[in-house]
Amino acid sequence: EPEVTQTPSHQVTQMGQEVILRCVPISNHLYFYWYRQILGQKVEFLVSFYNNEISEKSEIFDDQFSVERPDGSNFTLKIRSTKLEDSAMYFCASSGGGVVSYNEQFFGPGTRLTVL
Amino acid sequence: QQQVKQSPQSLIVQKGGISIINCAYENTAFDYFPWYQQFPGKGPALLIAIRPDVSEKKEGRFTISFNKSAKQFSLHIMDSQPGDSATYFCAASGGSYIPTFGRGTSLIVHP
Repeated sequence: EPEVTQTPSHQVTQMGQEVILRCVPISNHLYFYWYRQILGQKVEFLVSFYNNEISEKSEIFDDQFSVERPDGSNFTLKIRSTKLEDSAMYFCASSGGGVVSYNEQFFGPGTRLTVL
Repeated sequence: QQQVKQSPQSLIVQKGGISIINCAYENTAFDYFPWYQQFPGKGPALLIAIRPDVSEKKEGRFTISFNKSAKQFSLHIMDSQPGDSATYFCAASGGSYIPTFGRGTSLIVHP
């Protein structure tokens, strides 16, 4: 069964450093998303990406964040200068196309980011 | 108006019992209501979803009940099993298809 994969599973970084979180969405999906989940809290939407551009972003997704699809398979989230409050689990998700499958998002296992 | 309120925060059920988790929303533009199941260290996985044109949807032991007038929906897990122990998130989305998640319910099913 196809699945969304994410690397690394755990990233530890110093405050102010740049991090890149990587995702490989399901191959025939067209829509890609990043979410974050602070420990013990709900899942929060960061950004959606379609046709090589951002289609929607939340207030959390400020200038410190960027996304890219550098090739036909990878989807990355970059945090330019990490802050302590960026510590969270980051989930990548993808969905297909059309009304039904657009809603059905498949999540990866997540990358736990720890900012020291 | 974008909030989805979920209760209870935690739930303990005996094996074979019924687990019930409730959610309420305010935004009448929401038209898709999924439930996600999340095991520790894993991403959320879509469990079951409903649209407001039906009042109930059942898939195996999992049932969503939907009350459009009250703007409430709930997940019922029949014959709960220890393997159902997980965190359950309700969500709601509308025209943008981006789900707004509830805060989650930690379910523990005792053997």
